[in-house]
Amino acid sequence: DAKTTQPTSMDCAEGRAANLPCNHSTISGNEYVYWYRQIHSQGPQYIIHGLKNNETNEMASLIITEDRKSSTLILPHATLRDTAVYYCIVRVDPGTYKYIFGTGTRLKVLA
Amino acid sequence: DVKVTQSSRYLVKRTGEKVFLECVQDMDHENMFWYRQDPGLGLRLIYFSYDVKMKEKGDIPEGYSVSREKKERFSLILESASTNQTSMYLCASSPPYFSGNTIYFGEGSWLTVV
Repeated sequence: DAKTTQPTSMDCAEGRAANLPCNHSTISGNEYVYWYRQIHSQGPQYIIHGLKNNETNEMASLIITEDRKSSTLILPHATLRDTAVYYCIVRVDPGTYKYIFGTGTRLKVLA
Repeated sequence: DVKVTQSSRYLVKRTGEKVFLECVQDMDHENMFWYRQDPGLGLRLIYFSYDVKMKEKGDIPEGYSVSREKKERFSLILESASTNQTSMYLCASSPPYFSGNTIYFGEGSWLTVV
């Protein structure tokens, strides 16, 4: 199964960039990497996804290594409202509908 | 705006009760999912459905069943609730599988079984 590994927790100072790493060494060649976040007591919120190239949207940037075995989510100017659990996920394999969530990274943005 | 609505935000049920958790999506998505979320365990897939009346077991289907009679509605059923089913339940939906399609979640239903 394609699985992801993330650090359990991270701190980041408000206004600084938050860089959240994820390892997905068993990802299939045509599988996307997705990032979601979950603020306490709410459902997960989609942030960004990518395949091979780096991606950027209004929320974040996603950097994927050339071998696709790892990626980094970047929140360029973290705010207190970015405090959440961040999940990096991949689909198990193209033939299923399973998105496998790990335990995520608990990001705390400090004032 | 994309919307997945779960009918109950907080429920308290007794052991042995039959519990229904309802989910409705307004995006005409083919796929719908039920996850449960527990501290330290992340999100675990219970069941998913890729079409009306079609369902597939996820990783932890024991003690649960599902129903999808209409495209927009996906129900999770606890036939006989037990205390170890106390959890947060998340419904989600997505378009058919093409690489890059994202999955959208509801706000969650907190179920306590006493």
